[in-house]
Amino acid sequence: AQSVAQPEDQVNVAEGNPLTVKCTYSVSGNPYLFWYVQYPNRGLQFLLKYITGDNLVKGSYGFEAEFNKSQTSFHLKKPSALVSDSALYFCAVRDSTDSWGKLQFGAGTQVVVTP
Amino acid sequence: NAGVTQTPKFQVLKTGQSMTLQCAQDMNHEYMSWYRQDPGMGLRLIHYSVGAGITDQGEVPNGYNVSRSTTEDFPLRLLSAAPSQTSVYFCASRRDGEAFFGQGTRLTVV
Repeated sequence: AQSVAQPEDQVNVAEGNPLTVKCTYSVSGNPYLFWYVQYPNRGLQFLLKYITGDNLVKGSYGFEAEFNKSQTSFHLKKPSALVSDSALYFCAVRDSTDSWGKLQFGAGTQVVVTP
Repeated sequence: NAGVTQTPKFQVLKTGQSMTLQCAQDMNHEYMSWYRQDPGMGLRLIHYSVGAGITDQGEVPNGYNVSRSTTEDFPLRLLSAAPSQTSVYFCASRRDGEAFFGQGTRLTVV
């Protein structure tokens, strides 16, 4: 069975500084990895995904993530954070060996960007 | 293109009442799922479907039923509401890649 860990409940960063949100995973087969963002009282919005190919994936709103197979990690990064990036971020994984294709989410990391 | 539409947005139920949360998608996606979101627990899978007529249980299925008679619709039924089912519910659909989420239903059981 697949699992996802987001070790930080909250990340605080000053506007203009780099932002990193950590994610590690566990799967039996190959991982399909996703990042989503949730703004208050809204649904989840897709940011980016890794299925195969380049380990560095670029997504929406200037975010990127790096797939590291040896460390089983998929950390989300942004070079220069904005106050508007303050939101709840979720990492999710699907296991390539799961024929039903279930998506497993982490507990979420609250990002707070201060002016 | 409406995407994934959930109704209602808000609902208050009394313990023991039943209700159905509606979910519809217009993207012809085969895979649909229901999650509940609780503070500090992320999103937990309740039930999912890989196509019309095919459903299965997720991580927290107790107290909920689903059916998938059409590709577009995937309703979630609460059989006898309990305070532990107070949560925010999200429906999602996908084909092969990323999932698309509805705006959620905030349910309170008193």
